[in-house]
Amino acid sequence: EVVLTQSPGTLSLSPGERATLSCRASQSVSSSYLAWYQQKPGQAPRLLIYGVSNRATGIPDRFSGSGSGTDFTLTISRLEPEDFAVYYCQQYGNSPWTFGQGTKVEIK
Amino acid sequence: QVQLQESGPGLVKPSGTLSLTCAVSGGSISSSNWWSWVRQPPGKGLEWIGEMYHSGSINYNPSLKSRVTISVDKSKNQFSLNVSSVTAADTAVYYCARISYYYGSGIAFRAFDIWGQGTMVTVSS
Repeated sequence: EVVLTQSPGTLSLSPGERATLSCRASQSVSSSYLAWYQQKPGQAPRLLIYGVSNRATGIPDRFSGSGSGTDFTLTISRLEPEDFAVYYCQQYGNSPWTFGQGTKVEIK
Repeated sequence: QVQLQESGPGLVKPSGTLSLTCAVSGGSISSSNWWSWVRQPPGKGLEWIGEMYHSGSINYNPSLKSRVTISVDKSKNQFSLNVSSVTAADTAVYYCARISYYYGSGIAFRAFDIWGQGTMVTVSS
């Protein structure tokens, strides 16, 4: 099983600041099969990024994804008030599909 | 616009069977998508349970495979989840989700693109 480790656990930032979230895999994620999701309290996750760097429909361009192999990054260029949430990375290169434990982006 | 809606008992007794249904509206369960179940224990992260295709292909998470059954009812445009021999560790919000394929650079990427609102299931006597 591919274990995804996200860091930091919590990121305390102010609106307008840049957020950089890390996701490290225990083994190489094949064919760049990595996605990112955003989850707000009481809501289902929402797809942000698929295939490492492709924004899903309707996702603002302040969200970007990068990386390869075992190291991946989600960057939010300028935090908007609605961006404060928990973010999960997920791999689907090797079954079982697995999620990271999440990074909470909170208002400083 | 495809929408998913989970339904089922919110309380299940230990050693019993958890049964949930996901109704698909605004689209067909026989489309070129996989359909999946994901769960989230209170205050914790997400765990993939399994997925199915309308043709009958099914994949399960090995950690749950011995207790989980996913099935489809095409006539009702819905799919279901059964988890047997439940314990308190199965207490979670259960989500159904659609898996879509996105194509680029010769690769078929897949992702959970549409989710149900989730349903809380508590295992307790």
